Amino acid sequence: GNSVTQMEGPVTLSEEAFLTINCTYTATGYPSLFWYVQYPGEGLQLLLKATKADDKGSNKGFEATYRKETTSFHLEKGSVQVSDSAVYFCALSDRGSGGSNYKLTFGKGTLLTVNP
Amino acid sequence: KAGVTQTPRYLIKTRGQQVTLSCSPISGHRSVSWYQQTPGQGLQFLFEYFSETQRNKGNFPGRFSGRQFSNSRSEMNVSTLELGDSALYLCASSSGLTDGTIQYFGAGTRLSVL
Repeated sequence: GNSVTQMEGPVTLSEEAFLTINCTYTATGYPSLFWYVQYPGEGLQLLLKATKADDKGSNKGFEATYRKETTSFHLEKGSVQVSDSAVYFCALSDRGSGGSNYKLTFGKGTLLTVNP
Repeated sequence: KAGVTQTPRYLIKTRGQQVTLSCSPISGHRSVSWYQQTPGQGLQFLFEYFSETQRNKGNFPGRFSGRQFSNSRSEMNVSTLELGDSALYLCASSSGLTDGTIQYFGAGTRLSVL
């Protein structure tokens, strides 16, 4: 079946440091790829997405590029802030028989802590 | 526009009991999915409903069931609770119509089984 593998961390950085969280996937077909973020005590919020090869998703300074040749979707940010401290999840969507995505397969999550 | 609302936020039950969790999707969304989040297993897909029909189901025992009403609100039920059912249960809604559609998550219901 489909699967997502991401570095589990935890990752601890100083403010303004460069961030990379690696994510690779295994899937049949051409899934859409997502990064979600979870702050303490909250649900998941979509951070960015990409729906086809070579697409770059970006939001709030975060970026990730859909690399079909390496089946990867690594998350990057040039300068992290304390407020970026959260758990980050990489996910892919399965295309069901109905033709529309309805199920997300998640990685285990990466805890990021940014110190001032 | 109101987000996805899950009730209750916290629940404490004992083994053998049953529980019902509720999810109100974003207005206009017809798809509701449920996920279980635990420290050991991470986020796992339970099932998805679209226009009152279950379209897909994850690998959970039959004790886990759900339904969706005509107004798209959804409930999930867990019968004969076990200690291992302690988890954060997340509901997500989407339009459910096209590939790459974003799923919007609620804050979750934290279930503790004693």
